[in-house]
Amino acid sequence: DSGVTQTPKHLITATGQRVTLRCSPRSGDLSVYWYQQSLDQGLQFLIHYYNGEERAKGNILERFSAQQFPDLHSELNLSSLELGDSALYFCASSVASLAGGWGQFFGPGTRLTVL
Amino acid sequence: AQTVTQSQPEMSVQEAETVTLSCTYDTSESNYYLFWYKQPPSRQMILVIRQEAYKQQNATENRFSVNFQKAAKSFSLKISDSQLGDTAMYFCALLGGGSNYKLTFGKGTLLTVNP
Repeated sequence: DSGVTQTPKHLITATGQRVTLRCSPRSGDLSVYWYQQSLDQGLQFLIHYYNGEERAKGNILERFSAQQFPDLHSELNLSSLELGDSALYFCASSVASLAGGWGQFFGPGTRLTVL
Repeated sequence: AQTVTQSQPEMSVQEAETVTLSCTYDTSESNYYLFWYKQPPSRQMILVIRQEAYKQQNATENRFSVNFQKAAKSFSLKISDSQLGDTAMYFCALLGGGSNYKLTFGKGTLLTVNP
């Protein structure tokens, strides 16, 4: 158990819908990262938040957005869902240091299926 | 751009034997970190081992060790005394220096440990 929690574990929805994925980082971690894992794209970095502020964006679609709240939990919002958005979405957190050299610790993931 | 290449899509090893997984990377940063993550059938991403680029000494964690060749940009993982529970997808990952805190992953190597 990494100490990072994600809800829900599974999500099945239809095209065009909007969903919200939730993540709680390890106690004391200020950084939260979101990654998408799909068969064709592999593991892709989406976005990074540090203490409530967006720090970096990766291959995140405009239909996707995220935020980190004062209690440090984070939400990833996916809208106008398409079949290709079906994937495993991971949240990870790291210790307070911005360098992140101690590694990122991953939650169990949310499996999103778009029908 | 940072890249991570794992040239072995699949490998197999007999229980109790030793196996080495290969990884090469490319980065223009001088200070960076390298990691190996394990993803068993449960899909949880588990941090196995980490290496700081400015440290010449190879990292070791119990049965797991790395061979870090900075000049060659090579970072291989050796698993000694392989166990059935080591069966998983293994991902090599690079954490860039500077203000880049995202993990760049390779495509993974599926390791099967046979009894």
